Amino acid sequence: GAGVSQSPSNKVTEKGKDVELRCDPISGHTALYWYRQSLGQGLEFLIYFQGNSAPDKSGLPSDRFSAERTGGSVSTLTIQRTQQEDSAVYLCASSLAGEKGRETQYFGPGTRLLVL
Amino acid sequence: QKEVEQNSGPLSVPEGAIASLNCTYSDRVSQSFFWYRQYSGKSPELIMSIYSNGDKEDGRFTAQLNKASQYVSLLIRDSQPSDSATYLCAVNAGNNRKLIWGLGTSLAVNP
Repeated sequence: GAGVSQSPSNKVTEKGKDVELRCDPISGHTALYWYRQSLGQGLEFLIYFQGNSAPDKSGLPSDRFSAERTGGSVSTLTIQRTQQEDSAVYLCASSLAGEKGRETQYFGPGTRLLVL
Repeated sequence: QKEVEQNSGPLSVPEGAIASLNCTYSDRVSQSFFWYRQYSGKSPELIMSIYSNGDKEDGRFTAQLNKASQYVSLLIRDSQPSDSATYLCAVNAGNNRKLIWGLGTSLAVNP
């Protein structure tokens, strides 16, 4: 079946512009995660959606970052007034609800964002 | 602050050798442990998960968990050049679905 998809695959923008990154999770997966990975660095958790519950936004680095998930499926991560330090790969993952803490996260290919 | 620590490497092993990757974690209540592989420029993919103390084998890969000592390791037998990648350790504390990630260990298998 289809895996997690993300679009665009690459995005170049100018400092101060807003960007929207999209994630389509695996069909039927109720949990969706956004991560950021800077060059040569580890995964930085941003936000997590689980079903109809309120999202866990504890990893969002500033109020310029927001995300929504419509209809329990597609998610959009929005970065307002982009800064050069926002340049990174933004990864989305989804998982199927199961025994809490044991679900495997499946990653999309990522969106490579470059802020000039 | 819950932490997951890994040696950044690079770990260099000859082809055919055993590669040993280690990970320690700080939260004693951690219940689930995952090893992901990430090739350069690609996204992480799951290698193995382990939940109980002891060894879990899957092909050339063996995960070892010791909750008393708070470490989890990944052994790769008969290492191949295609195993060259960064290996990420991730830990779940059990009360939610978030994973705490290590920074990864870079492995190079030399032909």
